[in-house]
Amino acid sequence: GAGVSQTPSNKVTEKGKYVELRCDPISGHTALYWYRQSLGQGPEFLIYFQGTGAADDSGLPNDRFFAVRPEGSVSTLKIQRTERGDSAVYLCASSLTSGGAYEQYFGPGTRLTVT
Amino acid sequence: KNQVEQSPQSLIILEGKNCTLQCNYTVSPFSNLRWYKQDTGRGPVSLTIMTFSENTKSNGRYTATLDADTKQSSLHITASQLSDSASYICVVSANGGGADGLTFGKGTHLIIQP
Repeated sequence: GAGVSQTPSNKVTEKGKYVELRCDPISGHTALYWYRQSLGQGPEFLIYFQGTGAADDSGLPNDRFFAVRPEGSVSTLKIQRTERGDSAVYLCASSLTSGGAYEQYFGPGTRLTVT
Repeated sequence: KNQVEQSPQSLIILEGKNCTLQCNYTVSPFSNLRWYKQDTGRGPVSLTIMTFSENTKSNGRYTATLDADTKQSSLHITASQLSDSASYICVVSANGGGADGLTFGKGTHLIIQP
């Protein structure tokens, strides 16, 4: 079956611009997670959804970052007034439901470069 | 503060050889420990998940061990293949907390040479 997909695979934008990153989770998975991964580092938690609601957004670095999941499936991560420090790979993962024992399936990521 | 430390940071071995990667953690309360393989330019893929009561779990040529008393885990790779070249990330889950309380290590970058 189809795995987690993310679009675009690569995004280059100028400092100060607005970007949207999309995640399509595995069908039927109610939990969806966003992570950010810098070169040589492990993924860093940003936010996760259980259904349509953000269950925990404590990892969002500041108010320029926002994510939505209006229908409980596709999610969009939105970054306003991008800065060069936002450059990273943004990973999305989904699991059947939330709870530590459930396996998370990761997408291939979106590589964001802010020039 | 929950932390996961991995060693070595990077490792180069010859094809066919075995290797062992280490993971030490200070995560409480412990729920489970996972090892992921991440190929360059790809998302992480789960290799094993171990709960408190499990001290070893295998997935093909990959064998993970867990010592919950010393808070250490290892991932042993047998008869390495070129396709094993990747980053291996140790992830520990605590009960509660953000993203189901997952704390990620920085990974061990493994290179298999022919």
